[in-house]
Amino acid sequence: AQSVTQLDSQVPVFEEAPVELRCNYSSSVSVYLFWYVQYPNQGLQLLLKYLSGSTLVESINGFEAEFNKSQTSFHLRKPSVHISDTAEYFCAVSDTGRRALTFGSGTRLQVQP
Amino acid sequence: SAVISQKPSRDICQRGTSLTIQCQVDSQVTMMFWYRQQPGQSLTLIATANQGSEATYESGFVIDKFPISRPNLTFSTLTVSNMSPEDSSIYLCSVVGDSNQPQHFGDGTRLSIL
Repeated sequence: AQSVTQLDSQVPVFEEAPVELRCNYSSSVSVYLFWYVQYPNQGLQLLLKYLSGSTLVESINGFEAEFNKSQTSFHLRKPSVHISDTAEYFCAVSDTGRRALTFGSGTRLQVQP
Repeated sequence: SAVISQKPSRDICQRGTSLTIQCQVDSQVTMMFWYRQQPGQSLTLIATANQGSEATYESGFVIDKFPISRPNLTFSTLTVSNMSPEDSSIYLCSVVGDSNQPQHFGDGTRLSIL
């Protein structure tokens, strides 16, 4: 079984400031890691994923996350946030076989002007 | 990625009734799942919908309350039975196209029980 911990329930940040959303996981087997974003009153969208290969993965809108196996972390970062990045961000993990996702509790990113 | 259509998008139901949610995918997928997102909370897996056989339920979820069908590789239904206010949630369908692909979600069904 896996578990995911997102320590920060809310992260307020000013526009154009950098941000890091923390995610730690535990698992006894090999895992895939994901960040999903949920904008207000919308569905869940995949932001980025780590399946294999390079431990640093990037999204098309400037977010990146690094898989750190020794620290069992997959923190999400963006060097400069926009108002439009305001959303709920969920870190998730699955094992490489069954693929069912275990989600963290979510982090609400609030970008202020 | 696959296009996922989930119906209805929202509904308001009476206590004690049942509602069936449909999930239609525009291409064959290997895996289909159903999740629940209770108000202000994260997502919890209800079950894995298995094509042609009984769904695999997670701890805390049972077939009598959440019967699931998956007759083929592109369609699944979730029924929420004998509803109570505690069942008010967003129910989401998700799919995995093949083993090298991430999971993608439908827009969800926002269910309110009075």
